[in-house]
Amino acid sequence: GNSVTQMEGPVTLSEEAFLTINCTYTATGYPSLFWYVQYPGEGLQLLLKATKADDKGSNKGFEATYRKETTSFHLEKGSVQVSDSAVYFCALRTIQGAQKLVFGQGTRLTINP
Amino acid sequence: NAGVTQTPKFQVLKTGQSMTLQCAQDMNHNSMYWYRQDPGMGLRLIYYSASEGTTDKGEVPNGYNVSRLNKREFSLRLESAAPSQTSVYFCASSPGTSGSYNEQFFGPGTRLTVL
Repeated sequence: GNSVTQMEGPVTLSEEAFLTINCTYTATGYPSLFWYVQYPGEGLQLLLKATKADDKGSNKGFEATYRKETTSFHLEKGSVQVSDSAVYFCALRTIQGAQKLVFGQGTRLTINP
Repeated sequence: NAGVTQTPKFQVLKTGQSMTLQCAQDMNHNSMYWYRQDPGMGLRLIYYSASEGTTDKGEVPNGYNVSRLNKREFSLRLESAAPSQTSVYFCASSPGTSGSYNEQFFGPGTRLTVL
């Protein structure tokens, strides 16, 4: 079946540090891949997406590249800010899934000033 | 434009009680979804409605029922609540289910505790 595995959290970094949150997936066919962010007390928001191999999604300084050969979609940011503190979810969608998203378990990120 | 709204924000039930979680969207979206979020498990799809008048089971439908009341509203009902249904429930909507990906927009969630 389809599944998403994220690195275990929580992750704590200092402001301006480099961030990587690992995400790997298992899926039939060629899924679309997404990163969602959940700020405290809020619902999920789409952060970025990639719909085919080698695509790079980017938004708000975050980037992730769809790597088919390693079935990965790692999230990166060069210099994090306190305001980036949130829970990050990697997710996939397959054509067979009819817009249904399969989520990873989430990674809680805390940035200290 | 409020997006996706959910009521209530918090609820405490006793085992065996029933309740309905309400969800409404004002974006004229065709598709709506109910997820539950549990620690260490991400979000799991309970039910979805691809369009007005249709509903389908997701990954974890047992113990729940849904109603797509009209294009705007999609409710989730717990007929006899159990402690295992303690969770945070999110409603989402998207423009549709066909063609290229349509972004899902999420509500703020309902935190439910079953004692």
